[in-house]
Amino acid sequence: LAKTTQPISMDSYEGQEVNITCSHNNIATNDYITWYQQFPSQGPRFIIQGYKTKVTNEVASLFIPADRKSSTLSLPRVSLSDTAVYYCLVARSGNTPLVFGKGTRLSVIA
Amino acid sequence: DSGVTQTPKHLITATGQRVTLRCSPRSGDLSVYWYQQSLDQGLQFLIQYYNGEERAKGNILERFSAQQFPDLHSELNLSSLELGDSALYFCASSPQAGHSYEQYFGPGTRLTVT
Repeated sequence: LAKTTQPISMDSYEGQEVNITCSHNNIATNDYITWYQQFPSQGPRFIIQGYKTKVTNEVASLFIPADRKSSTLSLPRVSLSDTAVYYCLVARSGNTPLVFGKGTRLSVIA
Repeated sequence: DSGVTQTPKHLITATGQRVTLRCSPRSGDLSVYWYQQSLDQGLQFLIQYYNGEERAKGNILERFSAQQFPDLHSELNLSSLELGDSALYFCASSPQAGHSYEQYFGPGTRLTVT
């Protein structure tokens, strides 16, 4: 599976839009990109997944350029409760184990 | 609430002991995954079961074993415990789907080995 690289940490003020970029240069044709959120001492929670272009749900947007070598998770108007670790993962197919990297620790400041 | 339950929530035991962690997946989910999260190793996949059969194996030590029962609940057995086994252990489940990467994680069991 393609290795992912994302910033170790980010800070943001409440109300701002946050964009977390992940690189996955060796992504394969049948790989999907998925993002998870984890609060301290809780299990990770699925946020969004995509293959190409743009995907939006009630929580976030995911932008994937045509070459698919990177992706950007966009969180609109963050609040203090969005402070968490965000993981970018590349998954080969459904019903397979997830390979987590170190994630990005997002701190939202009032 | 993800619908995945894990017991116990906390477990404190001594080195050399054996413990069993229990997981009940979401209703209807056939796949169960076990993950270990420690401060130095991050979140690591241990083992996956699908409808009672072992499907994939990750960085699971020989001292650890798991099984999935006919009612689909799963147990992770950890034996000859060492201090380094102290970690959060998560169970996750997922539905039968071709391109769904959405796994539902339980609240975890925090194991402390003293």
